[in-house]
Amino acid sequence: GQSLEQPSEVTAVEGAIVQINCTYQTSGFYGLSWYQQHDGGAPTFLSYNALDGLEETGRFSSFLSRSDSYGYLLLQELQMKDSASYFCAVRSGGSYIPTFGRGTSLIVHP
Amino acid sequence: DADVTQTPRNRITKTGKRIMLECSQTKGHDRMYWYRQDPGLGLQLIYYSFDVKDINKGEISDGYSVSRQAQAKFSLSLESAIPNQTALYFCATSDSLGGVGGTDTQYFGPGTRLTVL
Repeated sequence: GQSLEQPSEVTAVEGAIVQINCTYQTSGFYGLSWYQQHDGGAPTFLSYNALDGLEETGRFSSFLSRSDSYGYLLLQELQMKDSASYFCAVRSGGSYIPTFGRGTSLIVHP
Repeated sequence: DADVTQTPRNRITKTGKRIMLECSQTKGHDRMYWYRQDPGLGLQLIYYSFDVKDINKGEISDGYSVSRQAQAKFSLSLESAIPNQTALYFCATSDSLGGVGGTDTQYFGPGTRLTVL
């Protein structure tokens, strides 16, 4: 089977940098995705890493280490609107279906 | 206009009732999915379909059934609703261009909040 671990909650102040970690156990790993979900809203795609290293998209970056089965989402210059839940998801094992983690609730304080 | 729509957006029903949740998409994607979200449990896959003639069970399909009426329409039914099916339900689509190395990005509808009394 597949399993993903991410912290349930992270808090930070506006303007700061925060890192949300995700560790996974799976076979036939293809890639790691990140999704953002505001309270009551639909999840939206943020990033995808198939290869080791850092992918940057504006204030958000995502990192993957395949050898460590580990990735993280880095949010810089935090804004109040970044308060949301963040889910990591893995594609693996010959399937196109992603398996989602339980999500990390990010709370940004003024 | 939204690319993935779900109806109804909210539904309150009673135990034992049959309920249908509908999903339509204008993205032209072949693949469609139904997820359930409970607080603290992330997104759990109920059923998925890679084309009109392809239906597959996900990790929590018991108590649910689906119908893929057309490429653009995928409906979820609860044959006899029970209170522990109270949850937020999301439909999603993805294209078939991702392949093994692709992202298979999921595009989610706005969700249906279902309450079973």
